[in-house]
Amino acid sequence: GNSVTQMEGPVTLSEEAFLTINCTYTATGYPSLFWYVQYPGEGLQLLLKATKADDKGSNKGFEATYRKETTSFHLEKGSVQVSDSAVYFCALSDAGAGSYQLTFGKGTKLSVIP
Amino acid sequence: KAGVTQTPRYLIKTRGQQVTLSCSPISGHRSVSWYQQTPGQGLQFLFEYFSETQRNKGNFPGRFSGRQFSNSRSEMNVSTLELGDSALYLCASSNRDRGSYNSPLHFGNGTRLTVT
Repeated sequence: GNSVTQMEGPVTLSEEAFLTINCTYTATGYPSLFWYVQYPGEGLQLLLKATKADDKGSNKGFEATYRKETTSFHLEKGSVQVSDSAVYFCALSDAGAGSYQLTFGKGTKLSVIP
Repeated sequence: KAGVTQTPRYLIKTRGQQVTLSCSPISGHRSVSWYQQTPGQGLQFLFEYFSETQRNKGNFPGRFSGRQFSNSRSEMNVSTLELGDSALYLCASSNRDRGSYNSPLHFGNGTRLTVT
């Protein structure tokens, strides 16, 4: 079956530090990959996505590249801000599984301190 | 454009009771999915509805059920509540009718269910 593995959190960084959150996946087909972010008391918001190998998704300074050879989709940001503090989820959808459902990683909590 | 709306935001129920949660998708979205979020298990897929038909169901007992109406609004029901059903229940809608599994899900803020 499909699965997503994210680095364990929590991650604490100082403002303006570089961020990497690792994500690897296992899928039966050829998945689309997503990063979602969840702020306290809210639902999930789509941060970025990539639908095929070597695609780079980007949004709000965050980037992730779909690496088929390493089955990875690591999230990066060059300079984090306090407002980036949230829980980040890597996810995949796999048309080969026959249904539009997302398989999520466990989430990585990021705290950015001034 | 209004986002996904879930009601109520908070619910407290006792074991053995049943509960119904409601979700209004983004206008024009015909796919509605439900997820359960708990600290231990993370985000788990419950079911997906598309044009009033259940397309897929996750690995949850039959106490969990749902339905979708002709206006795409959806409800999920949990009967005979157990303590372990305490969770954040998230509804998400998608523009899936354009034939793309790449269409992202748009989530509501969830319903926080506490079972005592």
